[in-house]
Amino acid sequence: AQSVTQLGSHVSVSEGALVLLRCNYSSSVPPYLFWYVQYPNQGLQLLLKYTSAATLVKGINGFEAEFKKSETSFHLTKPSAHMSDAAEYFCAVSDGGFGNEKLTFGTGTRLTIIP
Amino acid sequence: EPEVTQTPSHQVTQMGQEVILRCVPISNHLYFYWYRQILGQKVEFLVSFYNNEISEKSEIFDDQFSVERPDGSNFTLKIRSTKLEDSAMYFCASGDRAYTGELFFGEGSRLTVL
Repeated sequence: AQSVTQLGSHVSVSEGALVLLRCNYSSSVPPYLFWYVQYPNQGLQLLLKYTSAATLVKGINGFEAEFKKSETSFHLTKPSAHMSDAAEYFCAVSDGGFGNEKLTFGTGTRLTIIP
Repeated sequence: EPEVTQTPSHQVTQMGQEVILRCVPISNHLYFYWYRQILGQKVEFLVSFYNNEISEKSEIFDDQFSVERPDGSNFTLKIRSTKLEDSAMYFCASGDRAYTGELFFGEGSRLTVL
């Protein structure tokens, strides 16, 4: 069974500072990995995804994540935080089964941006 | 931009009552899902639906839950007899292909069971 662990339920960074949100995965098969963002009172929006192509994945809003098989990690980064990045971020893994895109989510990391 | 829409945005019900949550997925999508998020907890998979049948369901999705796509556009989640522990945000999602995991989520329906 797949699972993801997000270290740090709350992360605070200053505006303009590096954002680093950690995600480690466990999977018995090559995983598909995703980062979703949830802004207040909104649904989940896909930031980026890894599906066994390039290990460095670029997403929307300047975010990127690197798949590291040796570390079973898929950390999310952004070089310079913006106030609009304040949201909850979820790492997720998929088993990619046919006709089924079941996602297993982490517990989420709430990102706060300090002006 | 196409989006998944959910109604109602918030429903309050008494324990034991039936609840139907409605979703309109993106029109050309073939895969449909319900997830839920209990306050302060992780987003959990409930059920996936493809080709007019359930393709997978979680342990949470017991006999009190059912899904259907009654008219080719709506996708509904029914809870037959609600329990206090069913209080959560329920998210509908849809996708247009297998293997990509790119699901498009609605804004959620908050269910409060009293």
